[in-house]
Amino acid sequence: AQTVTQSQPEMSVQEAETVTLSCTYDTSESDYYLFWYKQPPSRQMILVIRQEAYKQQNATENRFSVNFQKAAKSFSLKISDSQLGDAAMYFCANRDDKIIFGKGTRLHILP
Amino acid sequence: NAGVMQNPRHLVRRRGQEARLRCSPMKGHSHVYWYRQLPEEGLKFMVYLQKENIIDESGMPKERFSAEFPKEGPSILRIQQVVRGDSAAYFCASSTADTDTQYFGPGTRLTVL
Repeated sequence: AQTVTQSQPEMSVQEAETVTLSCTYDTSESDYYLFWYKQPPSRQMILVIRQEAYKQQNATENRFSVNFQKAAKSFSLKISDSQLGDAAMYFCANRDDKIIFGKGTRLHILP
Repeated sequence: NAGVMQNPRHLVRRRGQEARLRCSPMKGHSHVYWYRQLPEEGLKFMVYLQKENIIDESGMPKERFSAEFPKEGPSILRIQQVVRGDSAAYFCASSTADTDTQYFGPGTRLTVL
């Protein structure tokens, strides 16, 4: 069965520091996609970063990068130089035939 | 370039009434997806539609829920005879045919009294 697990319900990080959010998944497919979405208090779902499973190179978008370990089925998100605007719920998601979301990690930024 | 539009943003219904949620995909997007988010939960897939076709409705409750994406106009998620357990945020997302990235609308928050 397709599953996505985020084991950290909440995390906190000092402003300007680096934080890593964990995600593991399970899928029977060999070709799939992984995503991190951010949901701020406005509740809008915002795509943060996307990884194609057949690509070994880790995706990077400015201060956001992933550590994709295909064999371990792990897909963590690293946020560098954390900013107050990064405070939000972060959802990891896996798509093979449909998108399955994890339960989310609430990230607090401490000034 | 307008994003995915959903309306209304907030909808209040009494038990037994019908709720109708609308989603206009991004320009050029022909695929629409509906998700439901309960409080403190992630999004749960409900249905995937293309114009005039339901492709995957494996996440839709068997009764009271229906969805359509007509040739003209927005996609509609319809909930008949709403119950308190239907209270949730409903999100629509859209994509093109040749991409796996979905772009989300702002959601409709349904409250059933």
